[in-house]
Parts: sequence; C-alpha cells; structure tokens
Amino acid sequence: GESVGLHLPTLSVQEGDNSIINCAYSNSASDYFIWYKQESGKGPQFIIDIRSNMDKRQGQRVTVLLNKTVKHLSLQIAATQPGDSAVYFCAEGQGGSEKLVFGKGTKLTVNP
Amino acid sequence: DAGVTQSPTHLIKTRGQQVTLRCSPKSGHDTVSWYQQALGQGPQFIFQYYEEEERQRGNFPDRFSGHQFPNYSSELNVNALLLGDSALYLCASSFASGEETQYFGPGTRLLVL
Repeated sequence: GESVGLHLPTLSVQEGDNSIINCAYSNSASDYFIWYKQESGKGPQFIIDIRSNMDKRQGQRVTVLLNKTVKHLSLQIAATQPGDSAVYFCAEGQGGSEKLVFGKGTKLTVNP
Repeated sequence: DAGVTQSPTHLIKTRGQQVTLRCSPKSGHDTVSWYQQALGQGPQFIFQYYEEEERQRGNFPDRFSGHQFPNYSSELNVNALLLGDSALYLCASSFASGEETQYFGPGTRLLVL
C-alpha cells in the first residue's frame, strides 16, 4: 500500500552517543525521501533529503542512508545532544514538490 | 527571509461549524500543500495548490476545500466540522519545479467540540 513505516516508535540514547533512526517504505516508485524533526507544538523541520540516485548523503552531524533493494531509509545523528530530542519522521515522494507520504514517527529522547 | 506562516495558531469550533485556515508560503515559493496531523500520527496530505488551482488531492472528503491567491498564499476551508477533524493542520510550501523540498509552517491546532 501507500505507506511509510518506522521500525521503532521510541528511541532513548545518552548524550554524546550516535543515534540511528530507521524507516521502511513501500512505494517502489518513490524517488525522493526526506527526514523531518518535529518538536512538541511545532511544525516539522527539514533535516536532510536524498534522491533515489544516491545511497548516502551527509549533512551537519546527520547522515541519511538509502537502501532501495530492501526499501529502507535510516537517519544517523552523530554526537546526539539534548536539543535533538524530538519526533523524527521520514517521508517519501516523487519529485521535490509532490505530495509527501509520512510514517508515524520515532520519538527520540536524549538523556543527559 | 520569511518562512512559512500560518494563522490562527489555535482555534476552537463546535460540530457542524465551518473553519478557514490561512497560510503564507516561504518567500519565493509558488506551491502550497496542506496536511492534517492527528495526535501521535504523521501528517497526511490533504491537497496541493499551484497557479491558483488544486493540483493534487489526498483521501479527504469534499468538506475540505482550498484556495490559492495570486500572491501564492492559501486558505484551507473545512465545512460541517466533525469531532474527528480535531488535529494540527500544517501548511508546506515549495517550488513547483520540484527541485526543493517542502518547508512547513508551525501549524494551526483545531479543536472541534
């Protein structure tokens, strides 16, 4: 079906550790994937995106990995900080401005 | 550079009423998409507007309608409100070219009593 799911609903890490948030997608036609961070009471904030012609993309402290063979997406956050505590959503789409399909999200908690 | 703005921030309505939510896109963006986010869920696509026309629509009833103005701002209208319409309504803007991702506003929290 048309859905994006996440493997774990919650993730708790210690400050300074690396975090890995996983996501499975089901639409083989999707060619664009995005990670958003959503803090309580706020709208989703863009973190990083990747297109299907790539398998890895790095940003500042974040890396997104795409495995099209198994339809899997992951977000790696290096040296996780308390400010990284939020719900993280992956979303898929076709092209950059078409509709996005979101999963339910993973709540990341960073313990000091 | 102004980001996406939405108004109002919060709204309380009763069943059967109608509501209008507003969105101003990020400077330079020409496409506006609306999403509904129920508590504890990911956003769900309602529809997208480009050149003042609805370009794509998700699985939402006709009670949900919208409009885009020449300055690219947009409105979301919901008629005959149901309790289940209580949610965070998000607006996202982007370029129609598809070269840039969608950027979200802070949302409007709608509570239907």
